[in-house]
Amino acid sequence: DVKVTQSSRYLVKRTGEKVFLECVQDMDHENMFWYRQDPGLGLRLIYFSYDVKMKEKGDIPEGYSVSREKKERFSLILESASTNQTSMYLCASTPREFWDEQYFGPGTRLTVT
Amino acid sequence: AQKITQTQPGMFVQEKEAVTLDCTYDTSDPSYGLFWYKQPSSGEMIFLIYQGSYDQQNATEGRYSLNFQKARKSANLVISASQLGDSAMYFCAMRDEDSGYALNFGKGTSLLVTP
Repeated sequence: DVKVTQSSRYLVKRTGEKVFLECVQDMDHENMFWYRQDPGLGLRLIYFSYDVKMKEKGDIPEGYSVSREKKERFSLILESASTNQTSMYLCASTPREFWDEQYFGPGTRLTVT
Repeated sequence: AQKITQTQPGMFVQEKEAVTLDCTYDTSDPSYGLFWYKQPSSGEMIFLIYQGSYDQQNATEGRYSLNFQKARKSANLVISASQLGDSAMYFCAMRDEDSGYALNFGKGTSLLVTP
């Protein structure tokens, strides 16, 4: 059974803290993604990676960075958390085939106070 | 640039009835893929159905089917025989080749199935 796991389901951090969100997939997928989900806005792409050590900005990269040192792991980093980064964060992965579905992790609900 | 539009923020349907969730899209790519995902209140994203732009037939998966009208650029999801467990958010999405095959999502439709 395919699996994408995220390090935390719920996280509460203070403004200015450095925050790490970890995502691991066990399907040997090349492509991995971080999305942010806010009510009324759907899911928006923050960053994606199509290979180890490769990363590309998505639609809303400001305030975020990522790291992909191993194929199975893709980390999202909030260098200095702000209250407007309170959101649901979803990680996903997919193989390179165009028609294949994207597999999502359970999500991390981050609250920045 | 691609755009996905879901015009129904919320929908109600009675148990055992069929319901159609609307999705229109805009793209200049001749080849594209459309997806529908379900998100229950627990938060996980569940893949429902896929339609490729060159597929000859409309996609079906159990109680889910796609009413794909290419000329109108619409890909409506039809859920037959609704069940209480179908209450969830539903997202239409299109694959973006320029973003490593990321998905561009619509804003979603909240479906409530009533007894």
